[in-house]
Amino acid sequence: KAGVTQTPRYLIKTRGQQVTLSCSPISGHRSVSWYQQTPGQGLQFLFEYFSETQRNKGNFPGRFSGRQFSNSRSEMNVSTLELGDSALYLCASSLGAGSSTEAFFGQGTRLTVV
Amino acid sequence: DAKTTQPPSMDCAEGRAANLPCNHSTISGNEYVYWYRQIHSQGPQYIIHGLKNNETNEMASLIITEDRKSSTLILPHATLRDTAVYYCIVRVNNDYKLSFGAGTTVTVRA
Repeated sequence: KAGVTQTPRYLIKTRGQQVTLSCSPISGHRSVSWYQQTPGQGLQFLFEYFSETQRNKGNFPGRFSGRQFSNSRSEMNVSTLELGDSALYLCASSLGAGSSTEAFFGQGTRLTVV
Repeated sequence: DAKTTQPPSMDCAEGRAANLPCNHSTISGNEYVYWYRQIHSQGPQYIIHGLKNNETNEMASLIITEDRKSSTLILPHATLRDTAVYYCIVRVNNDYKLSFGAGTTVTVRA
């Protein structure tokens, strides 16, 4: 079956703009998580959604937000972009049925803020 | 979340077994040990996970000590394509967040 699909793969934005990234989970998966990866901070958890509800949130400013739709697809939005928001944004999906379920990651969206 | 400690890097010869250690001395009884790897510029890939028993799948074996304070990921016959950053993660029960550390950069050499 198809894996986790993230769009777009690459994006260049200007400081102050806003951006929306999309993630389509594996069919049947109801949990979607988002991560930010930078060379300095590594992989950091942003938030997790299950059945359209945010269940977990990482330590990121309110400029970072997300949502999940009834078909489990998810979007994340970053407003008022800063240079430091340049990163690889990764989405992961899982069944979400318990703590012992593995997460499957997409290829990520590479965001560059100039 | 319990913290994990991994060596920053290690080399392995192609065709040989790679043994990747991980310390998680503060792990609690309901926390699982997960291993992921990330090949350059790709999303992390799930490898294996376990609670207290040793586990094996087509990719690797996971050996967890009896006191659960450490574990070892074994890649039985390393190939050049196994060159990646390997992350050992301890996951709180019912917490869907994965807390990635710095991981171990494994370089498989021909």
